[in-house]
Amino acid sequence: ELKVEQNPLFLSMQEGKNYTIYCNYSTTSDRLYWYRQDPGKSLESLFVLLSNGAVKQEGRLMASLDTKARLSTLHITAAVHDLSATYFCAVDEVSNYQLIWGAGTKLIIKP
Amino acid sequence: KAGVTQTPRYLIKTRGQQVTLSCSPISGHRSVSWYQQTPGQGLQFLFEYFSETQRNKGNFPGRFSGRQFSNSRSEMNVSTLELGDSALYLCASSRGTMNTEAFFGQGTRLTVV
Repeated sequence: ELKVEQNPLFLSMQEGKNYTIYCNYSTTSDRLYWYRQDPGKSLESLFVLLSNGAVKQEGRLMASLDTKARLSTLHITAAVHDLSATYFCAVDEVSNYQLIWGAGTKLIIKP
Repeated sequence: KAGVTQTPRYLIKTRGQQVTLSCSPISGHRSVSWYQQTPGQGLQFLFEYFSETQRNKGNFPGRFSGRQFSNSRSEMNVSTLELGDSALYLCASSRGTMNTEAFFGQGTRLTVV
């Protein structure tokens, strides 16, 4: 059974700092997604990582995928308050047509 | 390009009632997936449909069912509602082939009282 673990589950940080969210998964997969969710809202797609070594960047966020280590990271550079949200990683269990989700990392960035 | 549309946005039902939620995918997308999100259990997969066929179903009781129409619109139904069914129900739309990104609707917030 595919399992996805995120850590930390909660992160409070000051503006201007850097930090990394980790996403580990238990079986082989080369398809991983990062989503953002604001309180009471739906899921917004951030990154689609489809191969080993994939790295994608958007603004202050950068995501990478290491399929051999079964690890993806979401790095936040010089955090700003607007990045406060819950971030989820999801692994594509292609053979079963479903996404397996991490528990989410609630990120609070204090101005 | 219109996004994924879910209706209704909010719903309050009484225990024992049934409810039907609707999802209209992005034009051209043939796959619709449904997820339940609760604070305790997180995001859990309900089922996935592609071209009117259910390709997979999550570990939910038979009270949860769904279907997809020829225009790719999907509905999910929950019968004999329980308090524990209170959740945000999210629909995701994708092309349904490998390596495709899923786009989510705004969700339906169901409260069972």
